[in-house]
Amino acid sequence: EPEVTQTPSHQVTQMGQEVILRCVPISNHLYFYWYRQILGQKVEFLVSFYNNEISEKSEIFDDQFSVERPDGSNFTLKIRSTKLEDSAMYFCASRRGDRVGQPQHFGDGTRLSIL
Amino acid sequence: QKEVEQNSGPLSVPEGAIASLNCTYSDRGSQSFFWYRQYSGKSPELIMSIYSNGDKEDGRFTAQLNKASQYVSLLIRDSQPSDSATYLCAVIGKLTFGQGTILTVHP
Repeated sequence: EPEVTQTPSHQVTQMGQEVILRCVPISNHLYFYWYRQILGQKVEFLVSFYNNEISEKSEIFDDQFSVERPDGSNFTLKIRSTKLEDSAMYFCASRRGDRVGQPQHFGDGTRLSIL
Repeated sequence: QKEVEQNSGPLSVPEGAIASLNCTYSDRGSQSFFWYRQYSGKSPELIMSIYSNGDKEDGRFTAQLNKASQYVSLLIRDSQPSDSATYLCAVIGKLTFGQGTILTVHP
């Protein structure tokens, strides 16, 4: 069964550095998402992406964050000048279409640790 | 009011019992609802989706939706220890998650 893949599984970075989290969505999916889950807290929406542009973003997704689909397969989340509070699990998800009932499928996540 | 709110947990049920998980949502225009299961340190895993009023059954799982009451629930019959996880109610389109209900099924 096709799945969303994320790399790396764990990223350790010094505060102030830039990180890029990578995702390969399911191949025939058109909608892409990033979520964040701080340890012990709920899953939080960051951004949705469709047709090569951001369709919706949350208050969390400020100028520090950016997303890109550099080629036909990868979907990346860049975090500039990382802060300690950016430490979290980051999940990528994709969805085939926007018909009612179509679910999002999640990758296994990247654990980001900021030191 | 929280956009998606789940019944407080944790919930503990004996093996073989029915576990009942509840969720309410604030946006009356919401159309699609999902239940995800999340094991500790893992990603959310889709269990069921529902978008029509009434019940939807899939094996041991039954999702129930009542749009008039803005209420969605998940019943797990014959609960197994392997069902022990955090259950997340989610509402489309930006997929807003509830805070999750931790379910423990004890032998």
